[in-house]
Amino acid sequence: GAVVSQHPSRVICKSGTSVKIECRSLDFQATTMFWYRQFPKQSLMLMATSNEGSKATYEQGVEKDKFLINHASLTLSTLTVTSAHPEDSSFYICSASEQGSKNIQYFGAGTRLSVL
Amino acid sequence: SQQGEEDPQALSIQEGENATMNCSYKTSINNLQWYRQNSGRGLVHLILIRSNEREKHSGRLRVTLDTSKKSSSLLITASRAADTASYFCATDLNYQLIWGAGTKLIIKP
Repeated sequence: GAVVSQHPSRVICKSGTSVKIECRSLDFQATTMFWYRQFPKQSLMLMATSNEGSKATYEQGVEKDKFLINHASLTLSTLTVTSAHPEDSSFYICSASEQGSKNIQYFGAGTRLSVL
Repeated sequence: SQQGEEDPQALSIQEGENATMNCSYKTSINNLQWYRQNSGRGLVHLILIRSNEREKHSGRLRVTLDTSKKSSSLLITASRAADTASYFCATDLNYQLIWGAGTKLIIKP
C-alpha cells in the first residue's frame, strides 16, 4: 500500500521558536496533501489542502501566516508552525492522496508538538 | 469541518464478539470511507463504499450504506484485541473528506 512518512514524530520546543514538519509520500506521487490538527479524543480538523506547485487552501479560522505550508514537489509537503506558543501544542497529521485514487487518503504517523 | 456523527462514542466488548459502529451524515456524497486510528498514530484506510453501493466486505469488516437515511455502519466480526482503536467515518464530496467524530472501540481480552 501507499506509504506516507511524517517527521518528526515528536517535537518539544520553546515558545517563540518555529517548527517544521515534513510529510513525504514514499512510493506514489501525491497530487494533493492535507494537513490536520487533532485535539485529544477528538476528530480530525482539516487545516489546509495543498496541491503541488500552488498555494495551499486554508480552512476558515486557520492563520496562513502562522501555519506555513509548502508543497514544492509531488512527494513532499511541509508545515511550519511559526513563532509557536503553548496553545499550538497539538497532534498534527498529514495525509496524501494520489490522482485517481477515489480520494483515499494515506496518512503519516503524526507529529506530537509540545510548546513550552 | 465535520458532518458525520458516529455512535456510539465509545464501545467496549469482549474479544470474539462483533462490534457495530454507525455513522450518519448530512449532505449527498460520492463515497464514504472508514478509517482506523490507533492511539497517538495516524489513520489507516479500511474500506471505501461508493454512493451506489449498499454493502461491502473486506475480511472481517462489513460496511453498509443507506443513502436514503444518510447513514452507514461498520461491523467488525470476531473482534480481536488488536482491533482496539478509534474508528472514523469520512464522507467524500468534491474531493474533500468530511470526518465524523469517531468511535473508540475497546476489545477486552
